[in-house]
Amino acid sequence: QVTLRESGPALVKPTQTLTLTCTFSGFSLSTSGMCVSWIRQPPGKALEWLARIDWDDDKYYSTSLKTRLTISKDTSKNQVVLTMTNMDPVDTATYYCARIDQSQAAAGDNWFDPWGQGTLVTVSS
Amino acid sequence: QSVLTQPPSVSGAPGQRVTISCTGSSSNIGAGYDVHWYQQLPGTAPKLLIYGNSNRPSGVPDRFSGSKSGTSASLAITGLQAEDEADYYCQSYDSSLSGSMVFGTGTKVTVL
Repeated sequence: QVTLRESGPALVKPTQTLTLTCTFSGFSLSTSGMCVSWIRQPPGKALEWLARIDWDDDKYYSTSLKTRLTISKDTSKNQVVLTMTNMDPVDTATYYCARIDQSQAAAGDNWFDPWGQGTLVTVSS
Repeated sequence: QSVLTQPPSVSGAPGQRVTISCTGSSSNIGAGYDVHWYQQLPGTAPKLLIYGNSNRPSGVPDRFSGSKSGTSASLAITGLQAEDEADYYCQSYDSSLSGSMVFGTGTKVTVL
């Protein structure tokens, strides 16, 4: 059974750097085709894809947030870490991590399954 | 900055059929990339509902179906049930955004 769980601070101050950790089980990020993405959802708003890291350490970022995001993995710990710099109140959102299995479809045709439960991050002074 | 457009809301009585559209462009759905759908029940994480345009994961009722044509995709729910009241999102890939995976604007389904 594949599970993912997000962890990190519930409250950060403006201009601070946010660090979130996704801890997963049921698969390995050293296995060909496995990827983990981060997605966020501001309260009452739509989902927004943020970043993705692949089994071969390839990394992809949202073009609008690329300068603020860094994604990394620790394969031995089954963890993926996302950092977002210069946090602003508009970054208040629930942050989710989710798995992508590229072995199930061609590149570009991938989907997110399963998702973690999400963690709410509020940006406020 | 969703690049896939969905109607904000749709509603229907129990037992009725409702459809949700997802409109993209030539750099995403129109380029041939697959569309996937997620159901988000109130206060919960999104759950995969349809993958590869029209495929249902194990456990998803066959009341849910998906299709794609041109630059758009659709999700249909037949025999609407109270438990279907949720937010629904489409997702695809956009070749103009450097490897970006993109979501729709989301649709709230209300069961009357």
